[in-house]
Amino acid sequence: LAKTTQPISMDSYEGQEVNITCSHNNIATNDYITWYQQFPSQGPRFIIQGYKTKVTNEVASLFIPADRKSSTLSLPRVSLSDTAVYYCLVGDIVVRYGGSQGNLIFGKGTKLSVKP
Amino acid sequence: SQTIHQWPATLVQPVGSPLSLECTVEGTSNPNLYWYRQAAGRGLQLLFYSIGIDQISSEVPQNLSASRPQDRQFILSSKKLLLSDSGFYLCAWTILDGPSSYNEQFFGPGTRLTVL
Repeated sequence: LAKTTQPISMDSYEGQEVNITCSHNNIATNDYITWYQQFPSQGPRFIIQGYKTKVTNEVASLFIPADRKSSTLSLPRVSLSDTAVYYCLVGDIVVRYGGSQGNLIFGKGTKLSVKP
Repeated sequence: SQTIHQWPATLVQPVGSPLSLECTVEGTSNPNLYWYRQAAGRGLQLLFYSIGIDQISSEVPQNLSASRPQDRQFILSSKKLLLSDSGFYLCAWTILDGPSSYNEQFFGPGTRLTVL
């Protein structure tokens, strides 16, 4: 399972674009890259997932270079409510019918603090 | 729609006492279920996962055990709690729709356990 490295914390101001980069040098061919957001005392919430190039949804964009050894979560025009911990996960849950499956490992994440 | 429930929301237990945390999922069948623990200031650690009734896999050796007596019920237990068992316990579910796929995990509201 690929290990990920993220900055421990980041600060930003309301209205700015925030980019959080995650390194995953040992990413495997079948691995997807997924980002979760977690508010204090709540479970993580899925933000975005991608395999290569760029993925965009209503809340974020995910940029993945050709070598896939890193990825960048981009949050446009952050607000105070975006203050949270952001986790980058790399993995492939493979179902082997009748057997076991892989697992997900959440690192410590990046604590984003948005200031007014 | 699918929902996931956990209870209790908070729990304070003395060292050496037993533990039982319950997680139930509604609105889906044959989900994969997970138990995670998040110690203060740490990332999430996968404790157990289950691909079906009475099918439990343990990720780390520990003082805890898990059971899945029904398809949508996942229970985390301990016979004797340790101080180090304190943390935020999260249950999650996912549905895998193919032999090799990665799907979003949906987390419950969590249980805050304090062992004194």
